Amino acid sequence: DIQMTQSPASVSAFVGDGVTMTCRASQDINNHVVWYQQKPGKAPKSLISGASYLQSGVPSRFSGSGSGTDFTLTISSLQPEDSATYYCQQYNGSPRTFGGGTKVEIK
Amino acid sequence: QMQLVQSGAEVKKPGSSVNISCEASGDTFTYRYLHWLRQAPGQAPEWMGWITPFNGYSHNAQKFQDRVTFTRDTPMTTVYMHLSSLRSDDTAMYFCATEDGSNSFDTWGPGTLVTVSS
Repeated sequence: DIQMTQSPASVSAFVGDGVTMTCRASQDINNHVVWYQQKPGKAPKSLISGASYLQSGVPSRFSGSGSGTDFTLTISSLQPEDSATYYCQQYNGSPRTFGGGTKVEIK
Repeated sequence: QMQLVQSGAEVKKPGSSVNISCEASGDTFTYRYLHWLRQAPGQAPEWMGWITPFNGYSHNAQKFQDRVTFTRDTPMTTVYMHLSSLRSDDTAMYFCATEDGSNSFDTWGPGTLVTVSS
């Protein structure tokens, strides 16, 4: 199985700050990554697919980059509603696998 | 706009089985991949497999081997996940989700909590 490793496990920042989190795959997965946002008690919501393509309706402060084994999700100007856990997930191979998540908190 | 409606929470004994349903409302998922995932408390989601309602083809993660079965009803409006030989570590929220053209899980059900306890 392809392992997805996210870092940091958690990050705390002020409203308006930029926040960056990373996801590393255990093997080359091209750009076959989806980023999800999950709030407590809710199902995940897809933000970005194909490593860098913003899903419809997702604010432009979210952006993704990377290919191969290293991927990044950036929130350019953190908003209170961005407090959540973010997961990366690969779809290059089966089984589809998720990273362990990065929890974003507002200071 | 399609919504997915799942059956209610279940409490099961170790060794027993559970059946969870996922029904589409507002649109049809007949020609889409319908995936099942689960999420144990405090853990990341875990992908279990998929079914295509229009022909009933399915594929599950090897981890679940013969314990999990995906089926659908004839009108192809409801899919089911059957998980057998339940263990305590099967305690989790179980989600159904459709896959969109960009390979992401775009529409999710609200989840069904399964608790396995003696």
